[in-house]
Amino acid sequence: GQQVMQIPQYQHVQEGEDFTTYCNSSTTLSNIQWYKQRPGGHPVFLIQLVKSGEVKKQKRLTFQFGEAKKNSSLHITATQTTDVGTYFCAGSSNTGKLIFGQGTTLQVKP
Amino acid sequence: DSGVTQTPKHLITATGQRVTLRCSPRSGDLSVYWYQQSLDQGLQFLIQYYNGEERAKGNILERFSAQQFPDLHSELNLSSLELGDSALYFCASSTGGGHNYEQYFGPGTRLTVT
Repeated sequence: GQQVMQIPQYQHVQEGEDFTTYCNSSTTLSNIQWYKQRPGGHPVFLIQLVKSGEVKKQKRLTFQFGEAKKNSSLHITATQTTDVGTYFCAGSSNTGKLIFGQGTTLQVKP
Repeated sequence: DSGVTQTPKHLITATGQRVTLRCSPRSGDLSVYWYQQSLDQGLQFLIQYYNGEERAKGNILERFSAQQFPDLHSELNLSSLELGDSALYFCASSTGGGHNYEQYFGPGTRLTVT
């Protein structure tokens, strides 16, 4: 069945350093979404990518969708303590289901 | 606040018991999704309802069932509970039934089975 893998599982960075999480799918995706879950909170939608090679930016966050629509990445420039949390990618193909990756938990040391 | 409400917030019960989790979607949303989040399992999709009908099914155990009522609220029933069912259960809602709609998550119900 469709699988979405995310790496790394954990990342510790010093405040001000950059951070990237990668998402890979076993099948071609029709779209990919990214969510952020703060500690003790619930997932919150960040963005959706649908086009091959698409790049979207939200302030210090840059989201990319691969040319083959099988992978995606989230890059955070100059991390801040407010970026702490778990970042999930979620992709869907022709199965009609949104499959979540395992998430990358980001810790930021002030 | 996402606009999605879930009750109860916490639930502690014994093995073999049955519980019902309740979810009210955002006003106007027709789709409801249920997810299970364990410490080592990430977010596991269980089931989706759209306007009262089952739309998609994930890794939902036979001991679990769900339904969406005419007022669009949804209930997830978990029976013959096992220790491994202890987890955070999230409900999410979206406007449409397709997989390209952003989902709004509720605060979750933490289930502890002892």
